[in-house]
Amino acid sequence: KNEVEQSPQNLTAQEGEFITINCSYSVGISALHWLQQHPGGGIVSLFMLSSGKKKHGRLIATINIQEKHSSLHITASHPRDSAVYICAVRSYSGGGADGLTFGKGTHLIIQP
Amino acid sequence: DSGVTQTPKHLITATGQRVTLRCSPRSGDLSVYWYQQSLDQGLQFLIQYYNGEERAKGNILERFSAQQFPDLHSELNLSSLELGDSALYFCASSVGGLHTEAFFGQGTRLTVV
Repeated sequence: KNEVEQSPQNLTAQEGEFITINCSYSVGISALHWLQQHPGGGIVSLFMLSSGKKKHGRLIATINIQEKHSSLHITASHPRDSAVYICAVRSYSGGGADGLTFGKGTHLIIQP
Repeated sequence: DSGVTQTPKHLITATGQRVTLRCSPRSGDLSVYWYQQSLDQGLQFLIQYYNGEERAKGNILERFSAQQFPDLHSELNLSSLELGDSALYFCASSVGGLHTEAFFGQGTRLTVV
């Protein structure tokens, strides 16, 4: 079973700061997802990665397959970025497609 | 809007009862996943269907069951409900499986009293 560890669990920063959230997993994966969950509860898929780096607006996600590690960066953070960020991995499973295994999430608060 | 629709948004019911949660996937998506998010366990994968067939099972209790219909919508049935079943239940859909992105619905918040 894949274990997914996120750090930090909680992060409070000032508006404009550069934010980094880390995710480590224990076994080989086919893809890693970064998700965002706002206080209302809905989940939004930010990125799906299997290698390298992806960028969308102020968000950047990287993955190092050899080290089993991924990072999510937020540049020029804004109070509207306040949310829970969840790392999730999809493991290889004998040709089938298993569901995601989730980290416990990073609760991010950006103060004005 | 992810294109995945879940109904109802909120549900309050008593212990011992049975409820059905419904999910309509994005147009063209063949896979439907069900997840449970509780305060103590976090997000957990329950079950996946692909084009009407059960594809994978996670931590789904025997009291819970699901199915995917020919029009690809899915239902999650929860029976003999217990207080501990109170949680957010999410549905997600994707075109395929391993290498395809999943899109989440807004969730159904179930409260068992």
